[in-house]
Amino acid sequence: DTGVSQDPRHKITKRGQNVTFRCDPISEHNRLYWYRQTLGQGPEFLTYFQNEAQLEKSRLLSDRFSAERPKGSFSTLEIQRTEQGDSAMYLCASSPDNGGPQHFGDGTRLSIL
Amino acid sequence: QQQVKQSPQSLIVQKGGISIINCAYENTAFDYFPWYQQFPGKGPALLIAIRPDVSEKKEGRFTISFNKSAKQFSLHIMDSQPGDSATYFCAATPISGYSTLTFGKGTMLLVSP
Repeated sequence: DTGVSQDPRHKITKRGQNVTFRCDPISEHNRLYWYRQTLGQGPEFLTYFQNEAQLEKSRLLSDRFSAERPKGSFSTLEIQRTEQGDSAMYLCASSPDNGGPQHFGDGTRLSIL
Repeated sequence: QQQVKQSPQSLIVQKGGISIINCAYENTAFDYFPWYQQFPGKGPALLIAIRPDVSEKKEGRFTISFNKSAKQFSLHIMDSQPGDSATYFCAATPISGYSTLTFGKGTMLLVSP
Protein backbone atom coordinates (compact mmCIF):
# COMPACT_ATOMS: atom_id res chain seq x y z
CA ASP A 1 0.00 0.00 0.00
CA THR A 2 1.52 3.32 -1.04
CA GLY A 3 -0.91 5.64 0.72
CA VAL A 4 -0.35 7.79 3.81
CA SER A 5 0.17 5.58 6.85
CA GLN A 6 -0.52 6.61 10.44
CA ASP A 7 0.33 4.81 13.66
CA PRO A 8 -1.25 4.03 16.03
CA ARG A 9 -4.83 4.01 14.78
CA HIS A 10 -6.20 4.40 18.27
CA LYS A 11 -4.64 5.75 21.47
CA ILE A 12 -6.28 5.83 24.88
CA THR A 13 -4.41 7.63 27.62
CA LYS A 14 -4.96 9.30 30.95
CA ARG A 15 -5.09 13.05 31.29
CA GLY A 16 -1.63 14.47 31.87
CA GLN A 17 0.25 11.80 29.93
CA ASN A 18 2.35 12.44 26.85
CA VAL A 19 1.49 10.83 23.51
CA THR A 20 3.29 10.61 20.19
CA PHE A 21 1.84 9.81 16.78
CA ARG A 22 3.68 8.86 13.62
CA CYS A 23 2.88 9.61 9.99
CA ASP A 24 4.54 8.08 6.93
CA PRO A 25 3.63 10.10 3.83
CA ILE A 26 3.45 8.89 0.25
CA SER A 27 7.10 8.32 -0.61
CA GLU A 28 7.57 10.94 -3.32
CA HIS A 29 5.61 13.66 -1.48
CA ASN A 30 7.71 16.46 0.00
CA ARG A 31 4.86 18.25 1.75
CA LEU A 32 3.32 16.89 4.94
CA TYR A 33 0.39 18.30 6.91
CA TRP A 34 -1.21 17.60 10.28
CA TYR A 35 -4.88 18.28 10.90
CA ARG A 36 -7.18 17.70 13.84
CA GLN A 37 -10.80 16.61 13.45
CA THR A 38 -13.38 16.59 16.22
CA LEU A 39 -16.76 14.90 16.02
CA GLY A 40 -19.11 16.59 13.58
CA GLN A 41 -16.49 19.00 12.30
CA GLY A 42 -14.21 19.27 9.32
CA PRO A 43 -10.47 18.80 9.72
CA GLU A 44 -8.63 21.84 11.11
CA PHE A 45 -5.07 22.62 10.10
CA LEU A 46 -2.36 22.24 12.73
CA THR A 47 1.01 22.42 10.96
CA TYR A 48 2.78 21.88 7.65
CA PHE A 49 6.25 20.73 6.56
CA GLN A 50 8.08 21.04 3.30
CA ASN A 51 10.77 18.41 3.51
CA GLU A 52 12.20 18.81 7.04
CA ALA A 53 11.26 22.48 7.40
CA GLN A 54 8.17 23.33 9.45
CA LEU A 55 6.76 26.22 7.43
CA GLU A 56 3.48 27.02 9.10
CA LYS A 57 1.79 26.46 12.45
CA SER A 58 -1.81 27.12 13.39
CA ARG A 59 -2.84 29.03 16.49
CA LEU A 60 -4.48 25.71 17.47
CA LEU A 61 -1.00 24.30 18.04
CA SER A 62 -0.38 25.22 21.66
CA ASP A 63 2.99 24.96 23.40
CA ARG A 64 2.07 21.42 24.45
CA PHE A 65 2.13 20.29 20.83
CA SER A 66 5.31 19.70 18.87
CA ALA A 67 5.84 18.20 15.44
CA GLU A 68 8.99 17.06 13.73
CA ARG A 69 10.05 15.68 10.40
CA PRO A 70 13.74 15.03 11.01
CA LYS A 71 14.84 13.65 7.66
CA GLY A 72 12.07 14.93 5.49
CA SER A 73 10.40 11.55 5.44
CA PHE A 74 8.14 10.45 8.30
CA SER A 75 6.78 12.91 10.85
CA THR A 76 5.84 12.72 14.51
CA LEU A 77 3.31 14.76 16.44
CA GLU A 78 3.74 14.85 20.21
CA ILE A 79 1.23 16.14 22.73
CA GLN A 80 2.55 16.77 26.22
CA ARG A 81 0.41 16.84 29.38
CA THR A 82 -2.71 15.79 27.50
CA GLU A 83 -6.00 17.46 28.37
CA GLN A 84 -9.61 16.36 27.88
CA GLY A 85 -9.97 18.78 24.97
CA ASP A 86 -7.20 17.03 23.06
CA SER A 87 -9.54 14.11 22.34
CA ALA A 88 -9.90 14.09 18.56
CA MET A 89 -8.86 12.38 15.35
CA TYR A 90 -5.39 13.48 14.27
CA LEU A 91 -5.02 13.31 10.51
CA CYS A 92 -1.88 13.44 8.42
CA ALA A 93 -1.84 14.33 4.74
CA SER A 94 0.85 14.65 2.10
CA SER A 95 1.18 16.24 -1.31
CA PRO A 96 3.86 16.59 -3.98
CA ASP A 97 6.05 19.66 -4.29
CA ASN A 98 4.75 20.66 -7.71
CA GLY A 99 1.32 21.45 -6.37
CA GLY A 100 -1.04 18.53 -6.15
CA PRO A 101 -3.98 17.48 -4.01
CA GLN A 102 -3.48 16.43 -0.43
CA HIS A 103 -3.96 12.75 0.31
CA PHE A 104 -4.98 11.80 3.83
CA GLY A 105 -4.20 8.87 6.07
CA ASP A 106 -6.87 7.19 8.17
CA GLY A 107 -5.85 9.11 11.26
CA THR A 108 -5.06 8.40 14.89
CA ARG A 109 -8.03 8.61 17.22
CA LEU A 110 -6.97 9.94 20.62
CA SER A 111 -9.18 9.41 23.65
CA ILE A 112 -8.30 11.06 26.96
CA LEU A 113 -9.68 9.39 30.08
CA GLN B 1 -14.46 32.95 11.82
CA GLN B 2 -15.62 30.20 9.50
CA GLN B 3 -14.14 30.82 6.09
CA VAL B 4 -15.99 28.02 4.28
CA LYS B 5 -19.67 27.58 5.05
CA GLN B 6 -21.28 24.28 4.06
CA SER B 7 -24.92 23.26 3.92
CA PRO B 8 -26.95 21.27 4.61
CA GLN B 9 -25.57 19.62 7.72
CA SER B 10 -27.32 16.37 6.80
CA LEU B 11 -29.17 15.08 3.78
CA ILE B 12 -31.36 12.08 3.04
CA VAL B 13 -31.86 11.13 -0.60
CA GLN B 14 -33.58 8.18 -2.17
CA LYS B 15 -31.60 5.79 -4.32
CA GLY B 16 -31.37 7.15 -7.84
CA GLY B 17 -31.97 10.72 -6.73
CA ILE B 18 -29.70 13.76 -6.95
CA SER B 19 -27.74 14.86 -3.88
CA ILE B 20 -26.76 18.53 -3.75
CA ILE B 21 -24.35 20.03 -1.23
CA ASN B 22 -23.51 23.72 -1.20
CA CYS B 23 -20.51 25.70 -0.01
CA ALA B 24 -19.70 29.40 0.20
CA TYR B 25 -16.35 31.00 0.88
CA GLU B 26 -15.17 34.43 1.97
CA ASN B 27 -11.47 34.55 1.25
CA THR B 28 -10.88 35.79 -2.30
CA ALA B 29 -7.35 34.32 -2.19
CA PHE B 30 -8.86 30.82 -2.37
CA ASP B 31 -8.19 29.41 -5.78
CA TYR B 32 -8.59 25.64 -5.57
CA PHE B 33 -11.68 23.87 -4.29
CA PRO B 34 -11.60 20.13 -3.60
CA TRP B 35 -14.34 17.91 -2.26
CA TYR B 36 -13.53 15.05 0.09
CA GLN B 37 -15.57 11.97 0.99
CA GLN B 38 -15.15 10.42 4.41
CA PHE B 39 -16.46 7.09 5.66
CA PRO B 40 -16.61 6.30 9.40
CA GLY B 41 -13.20 5.39 10.79
CA LYS B 42 -11.42 6.50 7.62
CA GLY B 43 -9.57 9.60 6.55
CA PRO B 44 -11.00 12.01 3.96
CA ALA B 45 -10.54 10.82 0.38
CA LEU B 46 -10.30 13.28 -2.51
CA LEU B 47 -13.37 13.02 -4.70
CA ILE B 48 -13.18 15.83 -7.23
CA ALA B 49 -11.71 19.32 -7.38
CA ILE B 50 -12.15 22.52 -9.39
CA ARG B 51 -10.26 25.70 -10.14
CA PRO B 52 -12.20 28.93 -10.75
CA ASP B 53 -11.23 29.22 -14.41
CA VAL B 54 -14.07 26.78 -15.18
CA SER B 55 -17.69 26.90 -14.05
CA GLU B 56 -18.29 23.17 -14.00
CA LYS B 57 -16.34 19.93 -13.73
CA LYS B 58 -17.79 16.47 -14.10
CA GLU B 59 -16.29 13.11 -13.18
CA GLY B 60 -18.65 10.20 -13.53
CA ARG B 61 -21.69 10.80 -11.33
CA PHE B 62 -20.04 13.70 -9.50
CA THR B 63 -20.23 17.30 -10.74
CA ILE B 64 -18.89 20.50 -9.20
CA SER B 65 -20.58 23.76 -10.16
CA PHE B 66 -18.66 26.95 -9.42
CA ASN B 67 -19.89 30.56 -9.26
CA LYS B 68 -16.89 32.85 -8.78
CA SER B 69 -18.85 36.10 -8.50
CA ALA B 70 -21.08 34.66 -5.78
CA LYS B 71 -18.15 32.86 -4.16
CA GLN B 72 -20.16 29.67 -4.07
CA PHE B 73 -19.65 26.12 -5.28
CA SER B 74 -21.66 22.95 -5.05
CA LEU B 75 -21.36 19.20 -5.41
CA HIS B 76 -24.02 17.27 -7.30
CA ILE B 77 -24.17 13.49 -7.02
CA MET B 78 -26.31 12.06 -9.78
CA ASP B 79 -28.06 8.69 -9.49
CA SER B 80 -27.15 8.54 -5.78
CA GLN B 81 -26.43 5.05 -4.46
CA PRO B 82 -26.45 3.60 -0.93
CA GLY B 83 -22.66 3.25 -1.22
CA ASP B 84 -22.46 7.05 -1.49
CA SER B 85 -23.66 7.33 2.11
CA ALA B 86 -20.81 9.16 3.80
CA THR B 87 -19.79 12.58 5.08
CA TYR B 88 -18.77 15.06 2.41
CA PHE B 89 -16.49 18.03 3.01
CA CYS B 90 -15.83 20.96 0.76
CA ALA B 91 -12.49 22.69 1.16
CA ALA B 92 -10.51 25.59 -0.23
CA THR B 93 -6.91 26.67 -0.48
CA PRO B 94 -4.81 29.28 -2.28
CA ILE B 95 -3.45 27.39 -5.26
CA SER B 96 -0.19 29.26 -5.29
CA GLY B 97 0.95 27.55 -2.13
CA TYR B 98 -1.07 24.39 -2.27
CA SER B 99 -0.77 24.88 1.44
CA THR B 100 -3.34 24.47 4.14
CA LEU B 101 -6.87 23.38 3.36
CA THR B 102 -9.78 25.18 5.00
CA PHE B 103 -12.68 22.77 5.36
CA GLY B 104 -16.41 23.20 5.70
CA LYS B 105 -18.13 21.48 8.61
CA GLY B 106 -19.33 18.58 6.50
CA THR B 107 -22.59 17.11 5.20
CA MET B 108 -23.71 13.68 6.32
CA LEU B 109 -25.40 12.04 3.33
CA LEU B 110 -27.69 9.05 3.69
CA VAL B 111 -28.95 7.40 0.52
CA SER B 112 -31.92 5.21 1.31
CA PRO B 113 -32.36 1.97 -0.70
